[in-house]
Amino acid sequence: GAVVSQHPSWVICKSGTSVKIECRSLDFQATTMFWYRQFPKQSLMLMATSNEGSKATYEQGVEKDKFLINHASLTLSTLTVTSAHPEDSSFYICSARDSWQGLFDEQFFGPGTRLTVL
Amino acid sequence: TQLLEQSPQFLSIQEGENLTVYCNSSSVFSSLQWYRQEPGEGPVLLVTVVTGGEVKKLKRLTFQFGDARKDSSLHITAAQPGDTGLYLCAARTGGGNKLTFGTGTQLKVEL
Repeated sequence: GAVVSQHPSWVICKSGTSVKIECRSLDFQATTMFWYRQFPKQSLMLMATSNEGSKATYEQGVEKDKFLINHASLTLSTLTVTSAHPEDSSFYICSARDSWQGLFDEQFFGPGTRLTVL
Repeated sequence: TQLLEQSPQFLSIQEGENLTVYCNSSSVFSSLQWYRQEPGEGPVLLVTVVTGGEVKKLKRLTFQFGDARKDSSLHITAAQPGDTGLYLCAARTGGGNKLTFGTGTQLKVEL
């Protein structure tokens, strides 16, 4: 089956620093990737849709200047949390949609990245 | 107001018991998915239901899509500790590509 990886799996950083999270589709091409955030005991909330070769589309309330997304290739999207603060501490999950799937396509989820900002 | 409301929010049961989780909305969906997520991992797709009234079975799990395609249920028979996890329903919104997740049901099955 399709595999999506994330790196790092966890990261601890100081307040004010920037953190980059990578999302890779390992055995398929993904023109579209999605970034979600999940707080403890809560559901996944979509942050943005990452489109290869174009600007990301952000959900309402998500600061695009704080959460920088780059989708430079068909297998890699990155999320950079700039000037991170403790309230940005969360579980960040990406998913990827196979470019060649039909109408009822499936999103394949990465294992998530636990970000802790001290 | 959440687009997809799940109930119950938390459920703690003994091994062998049956349970049902509900996913409700006022919107109509072309399809609906159920996922299970374990701590520290991404969600894993269990099933996609497409047709109103559709029933799908996956071993001890039975999924049903409402006739009006606004709601769905997940029934687990003879729950086992391995069923423990966060169960999430999800539906496509915003033109088809985006997934909106339900509020989630945290299930704990104890010996």
